[in-house]
Amino acid sequence: KAGVTQTPRYLIKTRGQQVTLSCSPISGHRSVSWYQQTPGQGLQFLFEYFSETQRNKGNFPGRFSGRQFSNSRSEMNVSTLELGDSALYLCASSLDPGSAYEQYFGPGTRLTVT
Amino acid sequence: SQQGEEDPQALSIQEGENATMNCSYKTSINNLQWYRQNSGRGLVHLILIRSNEREKHSGRLRVTLDTSKKSSSLLITASRAADTASYFCATSSQGGSEKLVFGKGTKLTVNP
Repeated sequence: KAGVTQTPRYLIKTRGQQVTLSCSPISGHRSVSWYQQTPGQGLQFLFEYFSETQRNKGNFPGRFSGRQFSNSRSEMNVSTLELGDSALYLCASSLDPGSAYEQYFGPGTRLTVT
Repeated sequence: SQQGEEDPQALSIQEGENATMNCSYKTSINNLQWYRQNSGRGLVHLILIRSNEREKHSGRLRVTLDTSKKSSSLLITASRAADTASYFCATSSQGGSEKLVFGKGTKLTVNP
């Protein structure tokens, strides 16, 4: 079974631009979560999607948004990029939502904002 | 805010030695999970332990959970250079939104 894939793997953007990251979950997994990882703040939960609906949201500004498609693939968007948005963005999929299920992580998208 | 806090922040040992990492958390949990991350890559799930369990094993890994002390430990026995990675605990709070909250991790270095 193919693992979680994320595209692109690396991205360089300038302040004020917007960016869209993509995540394809493991086949059969219906829940997708997104995390931001930085050296200072560690791993922080962004949001969780299930059945094309946002089920949970972390404490991030409205510039961060996401969506899930009917095939469970997910995208996240960050608008009006700031320098502080530079981070590794990780996507994780699980069979179903909720913390009872282990999450399978993708390799991440390394975003650099200049 | 971080729910789980790992201790120590960094640990350096020789191959063959055991490595113990601890995780403390603040509120009652549904379960606690441990993940490993190799440098700059995605996380790999290691073990999930439920709040009504006290100990779980998986190969060279042993996890304990003490809900009265709100703490967990991860023991890696007979460590190998390939175990070099960062290890994170993640908790899900009872009565909460079920989202996983990760600690800042323990960076383990196993020297050959």
